[in-house]
Amino acid sequence: QVQLQESGPGLVRPAETLSLTCTVSGDSISNGFYWAWIRQPPGEGLEWITTINHIGTTYYNSSLRSRVTISVIAAKNQYSLSLTSVTAADTAVYYCARQLDSGYWAFDIWGRGTMVTVSS
Amino acid sequence: QSALTQPPSVSGSPGQSVTVSCTGITNDRVSWYQQPPGTAPKLMIYGVSNRPSGVPDRFSGSRSGYTASLTISGLQADDEADYYCSSFTSGSTPVLFGGGTKLTVL
Repeated sequence: QVQLQESGPGLVRPAETLSLTCTVSGDSISNGFYWAWIRQPPGEGLEWITTINHIGTTYYNSSLRSRVTISVIAAKNQYSLSLTSVTAADTAVYYCARQLDSGYWAFDIWGRGTMVTVSS
Repeated sequence: QSALTQPPSVSGSPGQSVTVSCTGITNDRVSWYQQPPGTAPKLMIYGVSNRPSGVPDRFSGSRSGYTASLTISGLQADDEADYYCSSFTSGSTPVLFGGGTKLTVL
């Protein structure tokens, strides 16, 4: 049974960099799926941030592209998110999710999410 | 502002059927997610009408023109949740979510 778990600081200061890690258990991150980050501001809807596949091809939300980096740490079966120059608008629950590799752009397994607050 | 439009809320009584719509759809790569309060979203439908393993067949998806729909039949109390559509897009951002619909079971 594949499970995903987000980890990282719950508080980030404005203008600094938000860094999160997703640990994948129950399968190898190199086994052909795609891996994504999605966020949800408090009381609001879902926003896809970025996706990386098993060969390192990356996809980004155009509104965040200049500030986002996603990468795979295969040796640890993890992948990461980096979001630079954060503001209060980046306060959200951040989810990591497995994306079906069949071209549907559907996310079939989600982590529980981690709340990140941007505040001084 | 999302390019996929959902009604803010729908409601129904136990046993009834409800339908949630999502307009702005241009292809068949449509998914639906269920999110009860305080929990992570769960994939209910992908590719317009495909159900992942474990999703009850009370949940069904369809598409007509620019509108995709999620229908929940035999409504149950624990169906009460927010429902989100999403779709692949050919624009600069490959996937968008709808704004979400709150389902209330009366």
